[in-house]
Amino acid sequence: SQTIHQWPATLVQPVGSPLSLECTVEGTSNPNLYWYRQAAGRGLQLLFYSVGIGQISSEVPQNLSASRPQDRQFILSSKKLLLSDSGFYLCAWAPNQGDPSGNTIYFGEGSWLTVV
Amino acid sequence: RKEVEQDPGPFNVPEGATVAFNCTYSNSASQSFFWYRQDCRKEPKLLMSVYSSGNEDGRFTAQLNRASQYISLLIRDSKLSDSATYLCVVNLNTGGFKTIFGAGTRLFVKA
Repeated sequence: SQTIHQWPATLVQPVGSPLSLECTVEGTSNPNLYWYRQAAGRGLQLLFYSVGIGQISSEVPQNLSASRPQDRQFILSSKKLLLSDSGFYLCAWAPNQGDPSGNTIYFGEGSWLTVV
Repeated sequence: RKEVEQDPGPFNVPEGATVAFNCTYSNSASQSFFWYRQDCRKEPKLLMSVYSSGNEDGRFTAQLNRASQYISLLIRDSKLSDSATYLCVVNLNTGGFKTIFGAGTRLFVKA
């Protein structure tokens, strides 16, 4: 069966510090991968998605970046965090069947980021 | 106008009650639909897909009205464990991938 893991689960970072969140998927190959953010009391916002190694699409302008160095690895980074970057970050995957509009998305456990 | 709109609630219901959540979507290119459940400080988890003919899974019934661009979720015989936020999700087929999540409807089931 497929599993998805992301880490760290919780982190507190000072403003201006770098960020690296990592996510790996097991039990599938060539998945679509996503990073979402959920601010307190808000809905999910898609930050990045990837349909293959090295292929990253950004949904919103921000000081975050994403990379996919391996098929089942997705990394979210920032060089300098802002207070507004605080939130719940979720990695997710979906089967890549050529028609992603019909896919179900499965989420990792999430990472709580507090920027102080 | 938001692409996917839900009543944020909260809905406060007693155990055993029947509760219904509604969701509307604005993009007619929407192709597939889901309900997710999210517990406090946890990741969303798939509750059920929504099919055009309507579908049922135990106490949960989902319905889709494409003409009105409207999705519903009915929970019968509510349990305390049903307390959560329910997210309406729409996948768009626009030549590329796009999944849109509603902001969610909070449900509290009380003893």
